[in-house]
Amino acid sequence: DAGVTQSPTHLIKTRGQQVTLRCSPKSGHDTVSWYQQALGQGPQFIFQYYEEEERQRGNFPDRFSGHQFPNYSSELNVNALLLGDSALYLCASSSIQGASNEKLFFGSGTQLSVL
Amino acid sequence: SQQGEEDPQALSIQEGENATMNCSYKTSINNLQWYRQNSGRGLVHLILIRSNEREKHSGRLRVTLDTSKKSSSLLITASRAADTASYFCATDAGANSKLTFGKGITLSVRP
Repeated sequence: DAGVTQSPTHLIKTRGQQVTLRCSPKSGHDTVSWYQQALGQGPQFIFQYYEEEERQRGNFPDRFSGHQFPNYSSELNVNALLLGDSALYLCASSSIQGASNEKLFFGSGTQLSVL
Repeated sequence: SQQGEEDPQALSIQEGENATMNCSYKTSINNLQWYRQNSGRGLVHLILIRSNEREKHSGRLRVTLDTSKKSSSLLITASRAADTASYFCATDAGANSKLTFGKGITLSVRP
């Protein structure tokens, strides 16, 4: 049973560029949440997707957008990258049946460096 | 913003000792969860305690919750070198809310 998979593992971009990160949820899960984790900090909630729609959104600018596909996989897009966007981006999946915020399963993350 | 605040920020103990970590939060919650993170990679869910529960056990883990003080503690008994990691508390305020993490505690277990 595959867990949550994220790609790519590492990414280096320059300021102003755009980036797309990808996530496949754990088998049987239908809800995907994205988190940003800066070095030495806890994960900060970006947004959550269910049934291909954004259900919840954290305090992030519109440069951060996402998408969920019919197979429950998800993408996180960040436009006009800033140096401060450098962080570990984590995807977490859960089941709406089990309450979407209970027992999240995390991927290993994408380490984004903006130069 | 981060809801939970863990205490201490860093903890270093000898293998075999117990490790106690604390978490305080600010608003009413539906449940509180603890996660572990190794080497800055993905988080692993450890245990969940609901707002109407006071104590819960899972293997070497014991978590308590005091909703009147808005605080929780995680006890790891008989620690092992493999327990070395960062530990985060996360609060869930219920329906239509987000899971909010604290800044984490770095636990080092010396062999």
